[in-house]
Amino acid sequence: AQSVAQPEDQVNVAEGNPLTVKCTYSVSGNPYLFWYVQYPNRGLQFLLKYITGDNLVKGSYGFEAEFNKSQTSFHLKKPSALVSDSALYFCAVRDSEDDKIIFGKGTRLHILP
Amino acid sequence: DTEVTQTPKHLVMGMTNKKSLKCEQHMGHRAMYWYKQKAKKPPELMFVYSYEKLSINESVPSRFSPECPNSSLLNLHLHALQPEDSALYLCASSLSTSGRSSYNEQFFGPGTRLTVL
Repeated sequence: AQSVAQPEDQVNVAEGNPLTVKCTYSVSGNPYLFWYVQYPNRGLQFLLKYITGDNLVKGSYGFEAEFNKSQTSFHLKKPSALVSDSALYFCAVRDSEDDKIIFGKGTRLHILP
Repeated sequence: DTEVTQTPKHLVMGMTNKKSLKCEQHMGHRAMYWYKQKAKKPPELMFVYSYEKLSINESVPSRFSPECPNSSLLNLHLHALQPEDSALYLCASSLSTSGRSSYNEQFFGPGTRLTVL
């Protein structure tokens, strides 16, 4: 069965510093991996995805993610954090056998001014 | 038009009421989804419609009844809900549900905040 793990409930980063939000996955076939962000009382917004190709994926709002097959990881990164990046971030894996997306538990990112 | 709209934004209902949640998209997506999300938790999949046919029902109680009248609309009919059903209900859509398209991202609506008294 497919699964994703986000080991950190919360990440605190000072504004201007680089940020990383961690995600590891477990899949039986080729992984289709996604990052979504959710602001308070809002729906989820798609940030980026990895399907195949370059291991470094660039997405919205300056975010990028690095796919590492050997470590089964797909960490979300940004070189310089903004206070407005404070939100709830979900890593997700798409099940290739049906059409379900499986979400991690989420990581709350706090960017400190 | 690249958004998913949901109405109403907020809904308060009693346990004996019947109400409906609505979702609409005009992106030509043929897969549509209902999720339930409790506070500070990930979304939980409830239903998936593929080409207007119900393809996945995640063992959701029958007091939730989905309907897909056409490729742009998705409804969730609610009847005899329980207080524990209070949550944010999210609708989403994606391009396709075929196996070769399972890499398509989902577009989410803003959700309906449901409170059951």
